Amino acid sequence: GAGVSQSPSNKVTEKGKDVELRCDPISGHTALYWYRQSLGQGLEFLIYFQGNSAPDKSGLPSDRFSAERTGGSVSTLTIQRTQQEDSAVYLCASSLEWNQPQHFGDGTRLSIL
Amino acid sequence: TQLLEQSPQFLSIQEGENLTVYCNSSSVFSSLQWYRQEPGEGPVLLVTVVTGGEVKKLKRLTFQFGDARKDSSLHITAAQPGDTGLYLCAVTSGTYKYIFGTGTRLKVLA
Repeated sequence: GAGVSQSPSNKVTEKGKDVELRCDPISGHTALYWYRQSLGQGLEFLIYFQGNSAPDKSGLPSDRFSAERTGGSVSTLTIQRTQQEDSAVYLCASSLEWNQPQHFGDGTRLSIL
Repeated sequence: TQLLEQSPQFLSIQEGENLTVYCNSSSVFSSLQWYRQEPGEGPVLLVTVVTGGEVKKLKRLTFQFGDARKDSSLHITAAQPGDTGLYLCAVTSGTYKYIFGTGTRLKVLA
């Protein structure tokens, strides 16, 4: 399809394990965003990529979180040593450029046991 | 830290009723976006408002940006079950960050 694709759609893992979440943006979109949404809540902004660069990483909740983007396309969000409070839906969005309309994927639902 | 407060937090109404939800802040914004999110899906952009006092209409939905560009409202006329969802407002903050509001969860009963 032509939309933003995220994988896996669901991930259940044990506390302390590392997880990697993937986002495939819409082709041609230079801007890519990651968000976290706890149950029934609004979205918490994590990071923005312009091309392969993230100008500001201060939105990442802790140093256990990291993100990268390669080839101006696919992005991965990695959480190391997962904690139960990391349980949430992680959403990815892309847009043509910064502050243009964002198109969201359906998210990865992460559950930490 | 900028905060976008949305009200009401929850709203349950009968089909055919009108409703208004609000997005408020103490900060001034250059633009504001409204999204609707359905369960299990990502948010979908409804509208972007840019000019203070601007009113935009999308079928039965009317969006208004406050004159001072600190607040916005979304009015739905003759609500339908298909309007059910989480309504979120969002603004850009500082350099390369977005802030989303706390959300209004709307349920329209048939």
